[in-house]
Amino acid sequence: EVQLVESGGVVVQPGGSLRLSCAASGFTFDDYAMQWVRQAPGKGLEWVSLISWDGENTYYADSVRGRFTVSRDNSKNSLYLQMSSLRAEDTALYYCWTSAAGDFDFWGQGTLVTVSS
Amino acid sequence: YELTQPPSVSVSPGQTARIICSGDALPQQNAYWYQQKPGQAPVQVIYKDTERPSGIPERFSGSSSGTIVTLTISGVQAEDEADYYCQSADSSGSYVVFGGGTKLTVL
Repeated sequence: EVQLVESGGVVVQPGGSLRLSCAASGFTFDDYAMQWVRQAPGKGLEWVSLISWDGENTYYADSVRGRFTVSRDNSKNSLYLQMSSLRAEDTALYYCWTSAAGDFDFWGQGTLVTVSS
Repeated sequence: YELTQPPSVSVSPGQTARIICSGDALPQQNAYWYQQKPGQAPVQVIYKDTERPSGIPERFSGSSSGTIVTLTISGVQAEDEADYYCQSADSSGSYVVFGGGTKLTVL
């Protein structure tokens, strides 16, 4: 059974930093690109970042480029999102997500990040 | 790059619901549809414009024509009430985008 379990979400002050983690199991982690998607309270889904299977290629939404860094450790089946210069508008539920050709599509349950003083 | 969806659609049980999504790169990129119920993670209901994942009821179907893709739910049931999101990529294929979401209300 595929499982994606996010962690690291907390309340953080504006301008602060935070690292989210996603532990993957039930599939061959280093065969797949991984992504982060967020959802602000009461709002829609917003794609955040993608990292290739080998970590060599990364992509970011304009809203987070230069502030967030995605990485992965294939030896630990783990995905990370380093977040810095956090703003109130970064407050959201952050999902770990993997999706590939066909119907291989799995989401975690999310970890909540609240940016507030 | 943006995908545009109507904010809401309402139908009575047993009727057909159609949710459209428009985007300039849709002729070049596959579209996917997700259903999200309150407090739950999204669930894929259509992939590659028209394909239905295993376990998704046959009443869910997808179609594509030019810059518009459509999610059709035939014989809507109360349990289909949810938010629906289309998802695709920009013309380069490197940047993922979600539509703004459509709230389906079953009257």
